[in-house]
Amino acid sequence: AQSVTQLDSQVPVFEEAPVELRCNYSSSVSVYLFWYVQYPNQGLQLLLKYLSGSTLVKGINGFEAEFNKSQTSFHLRKPSVHISDTAEYFCAVSDSGGYQKVTFGTGTKLQVIP
Amino acid sequence: EAQVTQNPRYLITVTGKKLTVTCSQNMNHEYMSWYRQDPGLGLRQIYYSMNVEVTDKGDVPEGYKVSRKEKRNFPLILESPSPNQTSLYFCASREGWASGTEAFFGQGTRLTVV
Repeated sequence: AQSVTQLDSQVPVFEEAPVELRCNYSSSVSVYLFWYVQYPNQGLQLLLKYLSGSTLVKGINGFEAEFNKSQTSFHLRKPSVHISDTAEYFCAVSDSGGYQKVTFGTGTKLQVIP
Repeated sequence: EAQVTQNPRYLITVTGKKLTVTCSQNMNHEYMSWYRQDPGLGLRQIYYSMNVEVTDKGDVPEGYKVSRKEKRNFPLILESPSPNQTSLYFCASREGWASGTEAFFGQGTRLTVV
């Protein structure tokens, strides 16, 4: 069974500074990886996903993530954050192939400081 | 507009009084699921459905029921709510049950059981 760990529950960062949100997973098989964003009082929406191919995945709103199989990581990055990026970010993992359960991390709250 | 609609958005009820949270999607998606979100625990799956009349338990199904009589609707039923079911609930749908497909989330239902 897979699992996912988001070590940072909150990350404060100044506007226009870079940010990295960390995600590590564990699984014994090939995986699919996702980042979802939850803006205040809204549901989650997909930022980006890794299924196969290039390990660098670009998503919406200038975010990108890199799949690192040896480190079992899928960290999310943005070179310059805006106030509008203030939200909670969830990493998720599922085993690849057929139907597999998607397991979500506990979330990281990104607080962008003006 | 493609969307997942949950109702109500907010609900306060008393212990033991049966309630239903409705969920409807207009994307003709096969797969639907319910999650609860609690601080520090992330999203945990309650029930899921791969298609009409096909439902199965997720990680935390105790105290909940679901039904899938039509493709678009997937109501969550709490027959006898208890205070430990106070939570934020999300319905989600996916085009297919294969694990790499994107999940679309409703805006959430905040339930308080007193």
